[in-house]
Amino acid sequence: DQQVKQNSPSLSVQEGRISILNCDYTNSMFDYFLWYKKYPAEGPTFLISISSIKDKNEDGRFTVFLNKSAKHLSLHIVPSQPGDSAVYFCAARGTGFQKLVFGTGTRLLVSP
Amino acid sequence: EAGVAQSPRYKIIEKRQSVAFWCNPISGHATLYWYQQILGQGPKLLIQFQNNGVVDDSQLPKDRFSAERLKGVDSTLKIQPAKLEDSAVYLCASSLEGRISSYNEQFFGPGTRLTVL
Repeated sequence: DQQVKQNSPSLSVQEGRISILNCDYTNSMFDYFLWYKKYPAEGPTFLISISSIKDKNEDGRFTVFLNKSAKHLSLHIVPSQPGDSAVYFCAARGTGFQKLVFGTGTRLLVSP
Repeated sequence: EAGVAQSPRYKIIEKRQSVAFWCNPISGHATLYWYQQILGQGPKLLIQFQNNGVVDDSQLPKDRFSAERLKGVDSTLKIQPAKLEDSAVYLCASSLEGRISSYNEQFFGPGTRLTVL
């Protein structure tokens, strides 16, 4: 039972353009959503998060949007840079002790 | 500030053998997590410790996997005996002790890539 889904396994974008990564979830009890970025041979690193009581959170080039009625969130990267090329995981926190449920990831490739 | 340390980085074993992984969390982090990431999937929580105690091990295959966190600092994850489907990256993460009403960022180590032949 995949509670957090990232339906696009890969995305290719040109440098300077917008990258939009999508994530859907099924559990309405999730109260916190996060995006992690992962480079090869490294552990995931936290990128940005959003509480379920908000619909937008912005940090520099990164913005996360949350649509609770659609159980959908997205990560926008503007402008995209080659260094953004990585695998991006969407994660959701359930109630209780900080347990995270991860999606399957989207590999982003930003070409110069 | 030093990050989460894990060793070994790579391990190749044959099925039915035993293997152990070690994790040293960030100093002061009370919560420690072990995740399993199978190729093409996202990390899946195996076990979560709060100091010495286990708060979630619902997805740990307890017939073959075990984990301990002595003295509330370092942790080891053991697989005995290993199966082919255990081939994965095992990630350790740590975070500050968090209250249910707040979120504390999880910091991940580089992982141990296990190949079972």
